[in-house]
Parts: sequence; C-alpha cells; structure tokens
Amino acid sequence: TQLLEQSPQFLSIQEGENLTVYCNSSSVFSSLQWYRQEPGEGPVLLVTVVTGGEVKKLKRLTFQFGDARKDSSLHITAAQPGDTGLYLCAGAGNQGGKLIFGQGTELSVKP
Amino acid sequence: NAGVTQTPKFQVLKTGQSMTLQCAQDMNHEYMSWYRQDPGMGLRLIHYSVGAGITDQGEVPNGYNVSRSTTEDFPLRLLSAAPSQTSVYFCASSPDRGGRRYFGPGTRLTVL
Repeated sequence: TQLLEQSPQFLSIQEGENLTVYCNSSSVFSSLQWYRQEPGEGPVLLVTVVTGGEVKKLKRLTFQFGDARKDSSLHITAAQPGDTGLYLCAGAGNQGGKLIFGQGTELSVKP
Repeated sequence: NAGVTQTPKFQVLKTGQSMTLQCAQDMNHEYMSWYRQDPGMGLRLIHYSVGAGITDQGEVPNGYNVSRSTTEDFPLRLLSAAPSQTSVYFCASSPDRGGRRYFGPGTRLTVL
C-alpha cells in the first residue's frame, strides 16, 4: 500500500515568515498534486508536478518534485493571512491510478 | 458549469438510519469518487467509478454502497448509520484516474 507522510501537521506563523511543507513516501509516484482547502469547502488544485526534479512556481508558492519522484515540497515565501488553510498533497501511483492523499498540513498565518 | 454539486450540505442521523448523499457533475467526467475527511487523516477513498455501470471499492468501503447509472450522478448510500461514520464527505470527479480532482463542497454528517 502506498502511503504519503505529510509534515508538519500544524503550522502557525506570523505574516512575512517563510515556511516549507513536506510530503514523503517510500513509493514512486507518476505525478504529485498539491491542493488547498478552505474551511467549509472542497480542496482546490494548486499544481501538479510530473517530472523528477521539477520545480513549479505559483506567485509566492514554490513546488518541487523529488528526483526519484518519491517526495515533494511546498515552500511559501513571505506568508500572508490569505495563505491560511489546509494544504494536501496527493500522489498518483500504481494502484489503478487512484490518488493517495497525505494527512494534510493546517497552516495559520497571523497578521 | 456548476462543476460538482453535493446535497445535502449538513445532515444529522440517528444510529441505524439510512440515507443517500447525492453527487452530480456536469463536466462529462468518466471518473468519480467519494472520500471521507476526518481530522488528521487527510482524505480517504470510499468508493470510485470509472464510468457508468462500473464501480469499485476504495480504502474504507464498509458500510457504504454506490451505483453509477449515468455519467453525471454518483450517489453514496449509508446502509445503517453508525457514529464512526460521522465525518465530512466529499465527492470528486476527474477526466481520468490519476488526474486532477474537482471536488464538491462537501456534506457534513453527524451520526448520534
């Protein structure tokens, strides 16, 4: 069974700080997706990384896929209160293409 | 396009009651799935469908049934509700198995 371990589970920081969220597995994934979820809503896709070593940027958010396609990271520069939410990573693996979700990282950015 | 819609938004059941959570999508996606979300456990796959008439079990299928008679609709049935089924349920659709998931707004279910 493929598993995705996400860390940290909770993160509370001040506006302007930088942070990194990690998503790790012992399994290889064909692609890795990052979602953001706000309270009372469903998750919304931020980015998909496909190639080992790939780096994608979305404004102040930088996503990286590990060279071996077993891990990924999300780095936020100069966090803002609007970044508050639950961040989920999800890997598409060898189980019939099903997405495996990490446990999520609850981010709170205080003004 | 409405995307993925779910009803109801909130539901309270008593132990032993049955109910159906509705899910519909208007994007003509073949792949649809149901997840439950519990604190600290991410999203866990309950059942999924790769097209009309085809369904399969996910990680946590016990106590739930699904059917897929049309491309648009994918209802989730709770046969005999238990307190352990208290959770937030999300329906999602996707153009393919490993692709981006489009999630509905969720149903918050409480079983007393």
